[in-house]
Amino acid sequence: AQSVTQLGSHVSVSEGALVLLRCNYSSSVPPYLFWYVQYPNQGLQLLLKYTTGATLVKGINGFEAEFKKSETSFHLTKPSAHMSDAAEYFCAVIVNYGGSQGNLIFGKGTKLSVKP
Amino acid sequence: KAGVTQTPRYLIKTRGQQVTLSCSPISGHRSVSWYQQTPGQGLQFLFEYFSETQRNKGNFPGRFSGRQFSNSRSEMNVSTLELGDSALYLCASSHETGVRETQYFGPGTRLLVL
Repeated sequence: AQSVTQLGSHVSVSEGALVLLRCNYSSSVPPYLFWYVQYPNQGLQLLLKYTTGATLVKGINGFEAEFKKSETSFHLTKPSAHMSDAAEYFCAVIVNYGGSQGNLIFGKGTKLSVKP
Repeated sequence: KAGVTQTPRYLIKTRGQQVTLSCSPISGHRSVSWYQQTPGQGLQFLFEYFSETQRNKGNFPGRFSGRQFSNSRSEMNVSTLELGDSALYLCASSHETGVRETQYFGPGTRLLVL
């Protein structure tokens, strides 16, 4: 069965510091991987996704993530945190069941706090 | 292009009642998925509809049901509400169905069961 583990339910960084949010997945077949962000009282917004091809994926707002098959990881990074990055971040995986079905399986989320 | 819209945004019900939530997908999108978000269980998949047919279903009791109309709008119904049904219900739409599709989420409906 597929699963997603996000290490650290809360991460705090200073403004301007590196942001690193960790995500590990478990899947017996090649996964498609996503990072979503959720601001308070809002829905989920897609940051970036990996399907096939280049393993370093660039997303919106300066975020990027690297798919590492050997480590079954898809960590999210941003070189310099901004106050507006404070939100909850969700890693998700979707698995190809023959190309016709599949649903997002989410990690528990990581709340990012940015200190001035 | 307008995003995914969900109505109502907030809802208060009592145990035993039933509730219907509505989701209008992005124009041209034919797939609608529903997710439940709670502090304890996180985000969990409920079901997906495509071309008025349920294509995939999560591990929820039969009290949770849904449907999709010919214009791709979808409704979700929960009967005999329980306290544990209090949650944020998120709807997501995608152009087609399948793993290659990106799902775009609405703002959610926050349901409180008293």
